[in-house]
Amino acid sequence: EAGVVQSPRYKIIEKKQPVAFWCNPISGHNTLYWYLQNLGQGPELLIRYENEEAVDDSQLPKDRFSAERLKGVDSTLKIQPAELGDSAVYLCASSSDGQTDTQYFGPGTRLTVL
Amino acid sequence: GQQVMQIPQYQHVQEGEDFTTYCNSSTTLSNIQWYKQRPGGHPVFLIQLVKSGEVKKQKRLTFQFGEAKKNSSLHITATQTTDVGTYFCAGPGGTSYGKLTFGQGTILTVHP
Repeated sequence: EAGVVQSPRYKIIEKKQPVAFWCNPISGHNTLYWYLQNLGQGPELLIRYENEEAVDDSQLPKDRFSAERLKGVDSTLKIQPAELGDSAVYLCASSSDGQTDTQYFGPGTRLTVL
Repeated sequence: GQQVMQIPQYQHVQEGEDFTTYCNSSTTLSNIQWYKQRPGGHPVFLIQLVKSGEVKKQKRLTFQFGEAKKNSSLHITATQTTDVGTYFCAGPGGTSYGKLTFGQGTILTVHP
């Protein structure tokens, strides 16, 4: 079974530039998450989707961050414009519906904003 | 909001020594999960505990969920260099489904 796929793995941009990250969850997983992970910290949830509906986006900085999951499968996370403080690893995770909250993480995208 | 705290933040051990990390939540948890993240890698699910006082073992790893369902521990017996990484606990708040709050992790270094 293929895991969660993310691209790109690394991205270096200058501040004020836009950037986008892509995630393909595990097949059949209806729930998709985007997390931000700073160095030495645990992942922090940005947004959670149930199919194509964003059910929790309370931690997403909506002035510059946006996300979509149009067909309830793949998802993109966008930052426009990027700031120096956005440098971090952006992790995508997915989980299946059911009794467990177990989440399966992708390899992440390491963003560096110069 | 809910807070999940882990101690210690760092642990250095000699290979063969035991290791324990502790996790405490500010709220009662419906379950607690543990993840391991290797250096440069991504979090990988280890185990989920659901019942009060539950103890589960995976080879040299022993996981425990507290009676009050607000704390948990991970114990590794006779560490090996392959155990190196950051260990995170994570829990949903109360009966919340789908949202996990992660602790800041314990970074384990094993010296050969």
